[in-house]
Amino acid sequence: GAVVSQHPSRVICKSGTSVKIECRSLDFQATTMFWYRQFPKQSLMLMATSNEGSKATYEQGVEKDKFLINHASLTLSTLTVTSAHPEDSSFYICSAYSGVARSYNEQFFGPGTRLTVL
Amino acid sequence: KQEVTQIPAALSVPEGENLVLNCSFTDSAIYNLQWFRQDPGKGLTSLLLIQSSQREQTSGRLNASLDKSSGRSTLYIAASQPGDSATYLCAVGRSGNTGKLIFGQGTTLQVKP
Repeated sequence: GAVVSQHPSRVICKSGTSVKIECRSLDFQATTMFWYRQFPKQSLMLMATSNEGSKATYEQGVEKDKFLINHASLTLSTLTVTSAHPEDSSFYICSAYSGVARSYNEQFFGPGTRLTVL
Repeated sequence: KQEVTQIPAALSVPEGENLVLNCSFTDSAIYNLQWFRQDPGKGLTSLLLIQSSQREQTSGRLNASLDKSSGRSTLYIAASQPGDSATYLCAVGRSGNTGKLIFGQGTTLQVKP
C-alpha cells in the first residue's frame, strides 16, 4: 500500500509560537492532501483540503489565518499552526489522495502529529 | 448535512467470537464508504473501501457491506483475536469524488484472550 509520512510525530511548544507539520506521500503523487484534527476520544474532523499549486480550501469554522497550509509539490503539504495556544493541542493527521492513479480513489493516512501547547 | 453514526461506541468480546460493527449515514448520496482501524495514538489504516455501486467487500476475516438506500454499512469480523483490539472508524466519501471524508465517532473494540 501507499505510504504517507508526517514530521514531527510529536511536538511540545510554548504558547505563542508557531509549529510546522509536514505531510509527505512517499511512493505516489498526491493531487490532493487533507488535514484533519482529532481531539481525545473523538473522531476526525476535516480542517482543510490542500491541492498542489493552489490555495487550500478550509472547512467552515476553521481559521485560515491560524492554520496555514502550503502544498508545494505533489508529494508535500505543510500545516503551520500560527501563534499556538493550549486549545490548539490536538492530534493532527494528514491524508493523501490521488483521485486518478489509485484504484477506487483511496485515501492514505499519515501516522499523525501530537501537538501539545503549554 | 451528512452525519455518520457508529453503534456501539464500545464493545468487549471474548476471543474467537464473530462480531458486527454498525455504521449509519443520513444522506445516501455518497461516493464511497471506508472502514479504518486506529490504534491508540496512531494514524489510520484502511481496512476496506466500498464504492457506492458495490454492496460488499471482503479481506481475510473482514467483510464490509453497504446498503445505500437504508444508509447503513456493517463491518463483520470473524473469529476475533486480541490483535483486533482497536478503534474502528467508518467514513463516508461525499458525493462528487471530492475525496472529502466524513467520519463516525468510532467503535472501540476489546477482544479478551
